[in-house]
Amino acid sequence: GAGVSQTPSNKVTEKGKYVELRCDPISGHTALYWYRQSLGQGPEFLIYFQGTGAADDSGLPNDRFFAVRPEGSVSTLKIQRTERGDSAVYLCASSSRGPGETQYFGPGTRLLVL
Amino acid sequence: DQQVKQNSPSLSVQEGRISILNCDYTNSMFDYFLWYKKYPAEGPTFLISISSIKDKNEDGRFTVFLNKSAKHLSLHIVPSQPGDSAVYFCAANYGGSQGNLIFGKGTKLSVKP
Repeated sequence: GAGVSQTPSNKVTEKGKYVELRCDPISGHTALYWYRQSLGQGPEFLIYFQGTGAADDSGLPNDRFFAVRPEGSVSTLKIQRTERGDSAVYLCASSSRGPGETQYFGPGTRLLVL
Repeated sequence: DQQVKQNSPSLSVQEGRISILNCDYTNSMFDYFLWYKKYPAEGPTFLISISSIKDKNEDGRFTVFLNKSAKHLSLHIVPSQPGDSAVYFCAANYGGSQGNLIFGKGTKLSVKP
């Protein structure tokens, strides 16, 4: 399909484990964003990539969270030493250029930390 | 402190009538506003946007109004259809170096047949 895809769709893990969440943006989109949505809340910004570099990582809650986009396309969000409070839906979005452009979202990865 | 507020967590409307969803913001630097619709277990879907240089944007049944002096925007859906039942999120950002959207908490719209 032509939209943003995310894998896995669901992830259950145990407290303290490491997880990786993958995002495949719309082909040709240079900007990629990660958001986190907790129950009853709107999506909250985590990090924004322009090409291969993180242009804004001010939303990452702490140093357990890290994201990469080595070739300027697929991105991986990595969470170390997961905590129960990390349980949320992790959303990825992409836009054609960057700020001011419409962001198109993937279906999200539902992470549950037991 | 929330920069984008959707004060109505839910709204119920009869099919065929108008739905009006409201959103308030506090940051006068915001220059681009969007509405997203979200069905359960899916990601948000872009619906309509408006730049701060405009006060109205229309796309089919959907119209967004922006009142900059009041820092308020609204989404009008007319006529409302049962398939419009979803959670609607208002979002805002400003250009420059920041790309991230600031979202409200959402309003759940139920359109009854």
